[in-house]
Amino acid sequence: QVHLVQSGAEVKKPGASVKVSCKASGYNFATYDINWVRQPKGQGLEWMGWMNPDNGKTGYAQKFQGRVTLTRDTSINTAYMELSGLRSEDTAVYYCAREARTGTHFDYWGQGTLVTVSS
Amino acid sequence: QSVLTQPPSASGTAGQGVTISCSGSDSNIGSNSVNWYQHLPGMAPKVLIYNTNQRPSGVPDRFSGSKSGTSASLAISGLQSEDEADYYCATYSEPYWKTPNGVVFGGGTKLTVL
Repeated sequence: QVHLVQSGAEVKKPGASVKVSCKASGYNFATYDINWVRQPKGQGLEWMGWMNPDNGKTGYAQKFQGRVTLTRDTSINTAYMELSGLRSEDTAVYYCAREARTGTHFDYWGQGTLVTVSS
Repeated sequence: QSVLTQPPSASGTAGQGVTISCSGSDSNIGSNSVNWYQHLPGMAPKVLIYNTNQRPSGVPDRFSGSKSGTSASLAISGLQSEDEADYYCATYSEPYWKTPNGVVFGGGTKLTVL
């Protein structure tokens, strides 16, 4: 059974960085891209970027270019999303999501990680 | 401001049907298939419809998707109380492969079952 389990909630000060993890199980981690999506409080879903766990190739939404970094550790089947230069507007629930083999949609999602940015 | 436009809310009586619309442009819905996600509060989003009109196994056939030109729709028949959730449409924005305008979501529609 496919599971994506994310790290726990974080509270950060403005200007700091946060790194959220997403541990995959139940499938071959290297063969499905991982995407990251966030939901700011009271707002809709917002796509941040994707990563190929096999070769580490990434792509980022224009809005987050230069501030987000997606990485992985294949030895422990874990993907990471690091967001720097945090501001209050980055307060959101962050989700990792597996991209289906067809590349057309996200078929499994993590449970979400709340990141709160507050002074 | 989301790239795809959805009504912020929709409602229907239990047992009846409802349709949620999603409007885009030639560079997104007009060029790509559409996915629909159901998001219950405190839960992870779940794919309801992919490739415009395909249902993953386990999703009841009360849910159906369609597309015409630059608009897509999610239809739900036989509404049940557990259908109360937020619904998001999503697609890719050209040029896509694989990023430049990436994945785009609608702003979400909050469905209330009366």
